[in-house]
Amino acid sequence: AQKVTQAQTEISVVEKEDVTLDCVYETRDTTYYLFWYKQPPSGELVFLIRRNSFDEQNEISGRYSWNFQKSTSSFNFTITASQVVDSAVYFCALSEPKTGANNLFFGTGTRLTVIP
Amino acid sequence: DTAVSQTPKYLVTQMGNDKSIKCEQNLGHDTMYWYKQDSKKFLKIMFSYNNKELIINETVPNRFSPKSPDKAHLNLHINSLELGDSAVYFCASSHDALSYEQYFGPGTRLTVT
Repeated sequence: AQKVTQAQTEISVVEKEDVTLDCVYETRDTTYYLFWYKQPPSGELVFLIRRNSFDEQNEISGRYSWNFQKSTSSFNFTITASQVVDSAVYFCALSEPKTGANNLFFGTGTRLTVIP
Repeated sequence: DTAVSQTPKYLVTQMGNDKSIKCEQNLGHDTMYWYKQDSKKFLKIMFSYNNKELIINETVPNRFSPKSPDKAHLNLHINSLELGDSAVYFCASSHDALSYEQYFGPGTRLTVT
């Protein structure tokens, strides 16, 4: 079963628009971690944020903000005033701590295109 | 200074060949990983190594054999390459097996013809 679902395969917005990328996760663990990674056209994976299951506070970092809601098992990512440099594939990921291991389970990604 | 490096960046080879991808991290981390990203961009864990020992093998065919000569290196050897092995392979590392922030290498694009 898919642990992380990113229903939006592709999104296009015009520069300066706000955009929200959805992420829904599934786990039976009470302790888990959620992540967002960015993969720009150059291909590398860039870490954006980590959130643990006990911290539902929303977080803001510049134009980026994240909304974690355990009640709906969602961890959505909003970019305000989007810029062309935000164009990338964004991955949401889940980690379920297990003895001796911690693997990331990725969603299928959302390709964001910001049109100038 | 590159934290997690992979060589080569691109690898083109024919079916049936054996090839290796090297990964090195200079972060002093104990745990290293291999992920595979297919043509549809789907990223999936393949292996986890902690202190040179295998801790996770996510149902990867035994044609794939990771080797960790020391904590800083985790190489991926692939025997009898198949067309379906074409993908981008990412190496990653974390401080230890329970550290949740993983640092990724730049990826190796493998093309099997």
